[in-house]
Amino acid sequence: AQSVSQHNHHVILSEAASLELGCNYSYGGTVNLFWYVQYPGQHLQLLLKYFSGDPLVKGIKGFEAEFIKSKFSFNLRKPSVQWSDTAEYFCAVNQNTGNQFYFGTGTSLTVIP
Amino acid sequence: DTGVSQNPRHKITKRGQNVTFRCDPISEHNRLYWYRQTLGQGPEFLTYFQNEAQLEKSRLLSDRFSAERPKGSFSTLEIQRTEQGDSAMYLCASSSPTGQATEAFFGQGTRLTVV
Repeated sequence: AQSVSQHNHHVILSEAASLELGCNYSYGGTVNLFWYVQYPGQHLQLLLKYFSGDPLVKGIKGFEAEFIKSKFSFNLRKPSVQWSDTAEYFCAVNQNTGNQFYFGTGTSLTVIP
Repeated sequence: DTGVSQNPRHKITKRGQNVTFRCDPISEHNRLYWYRQTLGQGPEFLTYFQNEAQLEKSRLLSDRFSAERPKGSFSTLEIQRTEQGDSAMYLCASSSPTGQATEAFFGQGTRLTVV
């Protein structure tokens, strides 16, 4: 079975600081990679996804992520966070030949104005 | 609203009672997933349907859990003889892969509290 690790459980940043959240997965084959965000009281929403091609993926709200196959990583970045980015962030992996999505445990981000 | 809809949003039940949750996926989506999420954890896979066929079940899904998607549209998740450990957020998601896998679209979940 696939496993997804998110090493940062809680992150607190001031507005305008840069963000990088780590995500590593275990499967060595072809994977599809996702970052989801859950704002307080809301459902999980897709931030960005990677299937193939350019390993640097740009998503909504200024987020981007880089797929590094040799490191089994898909880290999320944002150059300058805003208070409205306060949320829970989940990395997810879907094997190309599989059906289910495997999620990490999530990273809680708090941005201080 | 054309998103994934889940009902009820909240359910409080006494231990030992049966509960049933409903999920209405996005209408053209043929894949439907059930996940469970507890505090401080990411969503854990429970089961998956392609149309009306239940193709995959997690070992987390004990005999007390059953899911159906009778006409390939809405789905129900039933928990029999609930236990306190069943308290969690139950999430439904749907997707419609077109050649490549696409993302799953999630509903707002049903929060179950077993007292």
